[in-house]
Amino acid sequence: EVQLVESGGGLVQPGGSLRLSCAASGFTFGIYSMNWVRQAPGRGLEWVSHISSTGTTIYYADSVKGRFTISRDNAKNSLYLQMNSLRGEDTAVYYCAREKLITMLEGYFDPWGQGTLVTVSS
Amino acid sequence: SYVLTQPPSVSVAPGQTARITCGGHNIGSKSVHWYQQKPGQAPVVVVYDDSDRPSGVPERFSGSNSGNTATLTISRVEAGDEADYYCQVWDSSSDHPRVFGGGTKLTVL
Repeated sequence: EVQLVESGGGLVQPGGSLRLSCAASGFTFGIYSMNWVRQAPGRGLEWVSHISSTGTTIYYADSVKGRFTISRDNAKNSLYLQMNSLRGEDTAVYYCAREKLITMLEGYFDPWGQGTLVTVSS
Repeated sequence: SYVLTQPPSVSVAPGQTARITCGGHNIGSKSVHWYQQKPGQAPVVVVYDDSDRPSGVPERFSGSNSGNTATLTISRVEAGDEADYYCQVWDSSSDHPRVFGGGTKLTVL
């Protein structure tokens, strides 16, 4: 069974840091691009970051650029999101999602993990 | 950056057809993907690449895309289809290329 399991969420003070992890199983992790998507309470989906299968191509949303770092360890079947200088507006459920390519460059997100909640508050 | 516009809400009676739109400049030139999210659950893809359905998604779900509007159509709507629906595209001209629409709440009356 293809599965993604996020961990590392929790309560953190403004200005603090947190590292999210996403453990993949049931598929060959190293050949897929991966993404982080977040959803603030009661709000819609917001794409956060993308990393290619080899880690050589990375993109960030403007809202997190310079503060968040995406990475992966294909040997450990794991995806990470290092979040620094956290703000209240970063409060959200963070999902990792595999990207199934339909062209060489882009695809759709399937599956998604169950999400991990990050709360930034003093 | 590329903007996708969805109506906040759509209401439909059981058995009727629901149409959820996703507007964007020349969106017909892009591949559009649709996700369903039920309360407390992670999103699930219901249509990808404009009109393809993943295995396990009922044939009642279909998609189209032309001009400046993509549409998710749900035929013979059931109570279990009540959920939030999001469209998503890849914007090749951007350095933050994955874009979601704001989402549409489908209410089954």
